[in-house]
Amino acid sequence: DTAVSQTPKYLVTQMGNDKSIKCEQNLGHDTMYWYKQDSKKFLKIMFSYNNKELIINETVPNRFSPKSPDKAHLNLHINSLELGDSAVYFCASSQEVGSYGYTFGSGTRLTVV
Amino acid sequence: DAKTTQPPSMDCAEGRAANLPCNHSTISGNEYVYWYRQIHSQGPQYIIHGLKNNETNEMASLIITEDRKSSTLILPHATLRDTAVYYCIVRVTGTASKLTFGTGTRLQVTL
Repeated sequence: DTAVSQTPKYLVTQMGNDKSIKCEQNLGHDTMYWYKQDSKKFLKIMFSYNNKELIINETVPNRFSPKSPDKAHLNLHINSLELGDSAVYFCASSQEVGSYGYTFGSGTRLTVV
Repeated sequence: DAKTTQPPSMDCAEGRAANLPCNHSTISGNEYVYWYRQIHSQGPQYIIHGLKNNETNEMASLIITEDRKSSTLILPHATLRDTAVYYCIVRVTGTASKLTFGTGTRLQVTL
């Protein structure tokens, strides 16, 4: 039973398209995150939601819009995709009480052509 | 969050202990030391964390110096499956605190 699951695992799309990546966690965690790992393997946080409220929003283009329908789900919608959006996107969750670690999903490899 | 310094790469023979160092000389009193690893093409995996005392779990041991300015992650009997990039991160807890990854140490375990 996967703790943090992302779909799809691979996504190939053309420039200008709009796409969504879905994330679900069954750990009962309060906080969820989106990270981006580029071709140089740097992992950067994009967004963080706590109980459906946006709490961290890094300098990410407005074309990226996270949505959290409930605390178990955090989806990422990307408008007008660009070549530079090609990366692996990781979803994660954590329960901050007691300083627990983050649990990451297996990633979504997005390729924009 | 405090900055950390790690060697870019290390090698370890299978079955031996892997000792991965991390410097965090600007760590503040309420910041924890976290270790994560990323095996190729997978999401990062939490290993262990600590504040002041040494910690041990089923995966590894974490040794934090008394002045808290450095720490060492110890994998007691490294296997080929431990080949990964290991990240040392210091941060405060709390919902607004970010887990910020640096460049990590690429550990290669060899036969």
